[in-house]
Amino acid sequence: GAGVSQSPSNKVTEKGKDVELRCDPISGHTALYWYRQRLGQGLEFLIYFQGNSAPDKSGLPSDRFSAERTGESVSTLTIQRTQQEDSAVYLCASTAGSVNYGYTFGSGTRLTVV
Amino acid sequence: AQSVTQPDIHITVSEGASLELRCNYSYGATPYLFWYVQSPGQGLQLLLKYFSGDTLVQGIKGFEAEFKRSQSSFNLRKPSVHWSDAAEYFCAVQGGSEKLVFGKGTKLTVNP
Repeated sequence: GAGVSQSPSNKVTEKGKDVELRCDPISGHTALYWYRQRLGQGLEFLIYFQGNSAPDKSGLPSDRFSAERTGESVSTLTIQRTQQEDSAVYLCASTAGSVNYGYTFGSGTRLTVV
Repeated sequence: AQSVTQPDIHITVSEGASLELRCNYSYGATPYLFWYVQSPGQGLQLLLKYFSGDTLVQGIKGFEAEFKRSQSSFNLRKPSVHWSDAAEYFCAVQGGSEKLVFGKGTKLTVNP
């Protein structure tokens, strides 16, 4: 597609429920990144995919967080047993080969855990 | 590990005034440096980037940034601010890995 697409744009969930956030990168972009942006904070790196492998998942905050990617396409970030501190905007970005080219970001998913 | 500091959380300028947003980074070698802008409810848009060569980098929307190795800085500038420039600005550094490390951002308010 023309840009990075994320869905849903907004998600309200009850504490303890699982959520799935989806990212459709730009077609042909091999690298995909997930970041988290808490209110008033900068972006926290979560995980990086090159193709469908994840060379760097060092930013995942706990084992409740996981992500997968199908080929060089869609990625899903799953948060199990959500907690209130998981409330944030989750941003996805993709790039053609390397971060050096600069990311193209999606508009994000705003997750609210109540 | 690399890090980024944006000392100003919030800056207010008048329309037409000049602007400088500060960014300091920490990294042992020459990093790759970026500035992104985030408008309300939007994703981040790349304004400009520095990899090597000329230390004064031109970007979109009339922005420029200057890399100063001696000061570990990469400040963003614009000679004349427009009301549409009101947004949040993020400086980011990449070095030694495939991820960007972002500062906490500077929110820009433009007064008419």
